Amino acid sequence: GAGVSQSPRYKVAKRGQDVALRCDPISGHVSLFWYQQALGQGPEFLTYFQNEAQLDKSGLPSDRFFAERPEGSVSTLKIQRTQQEDSAVYLCASSLAMTQGAGGGYTFGSGTRLTVV
Amino acid sequence: DQQVKQNSPSLSVQEGRISILNCDYTNSMFDYFLWYKKYPAEGPTFLISISSIKDKNEDGRFTVFLNKSAKHLSLHIVPSQPGDSAVYFCAAGDNQGGKLIFGQGTELSVKP
Repeated sequence: GAGVSQSPRYKVAKRGQDVALRCDPISGHVSLFWYQQALGQGPEFLTYFQNEAQLDKSGLPSDRFFAERPEGSVSTLKIQRTQQEDSAVYLCASSLAMTQGAGGGYTFGSGTRLTVV
Repeated sequence: DQQVKQNSPSLSVQEGRISILNCDYTNSMFDYFLWYKKYPAEGPTFLISISSIKDKNEDGRFTVFLNKSAKHLSLHIVPSQPGDSAVYFCAAGDNQGGKLIFGQGTELSVKP
């Protein structure tokens, strides 16, 4: 597609519910990233894929967070037993290059706003 | 520990004047720095970047300056336009992977 597509745009979950957030990267993009953005803060890194390999998951805040990209294209971020502190915008980004460099940055989707009540 | 900091949460500038957005960092190992612009309900969009071996990069109305000794970078927008009103994030990364560290953002308001 023309851009990075994320769904759903908005998600309201009851505390304790499991959620799954989807990211469709730009076709052919090798690298895929997930970021979490709390209100009034900058995006914070969660995890990074190169094709189907998850190369860095150091930013996942707990073992309730899990991400996958089984065929090297679409990715899903799953949050189990959601808590109120999980409320944030979850941003997905993709890049053609394997490493970032000082080139053109990567392309973000519009995000999924998760509200846990 | 915030490795990338934007100490001004907001900035207001008159149309046609210069906007200067500032960013400080603590990690001298960063290889490059980027600025992103974000409108409400949209994802950040890439604006301009600079390698750590440079001290200036210019693209049209946007110029980024890097002062490595001070661990400081700034984004200059000249002349500022009302359409530049948005939240601006600086970010930093290294050549080991794609992870970026973002600042907290500065909301720029350009008044007609």
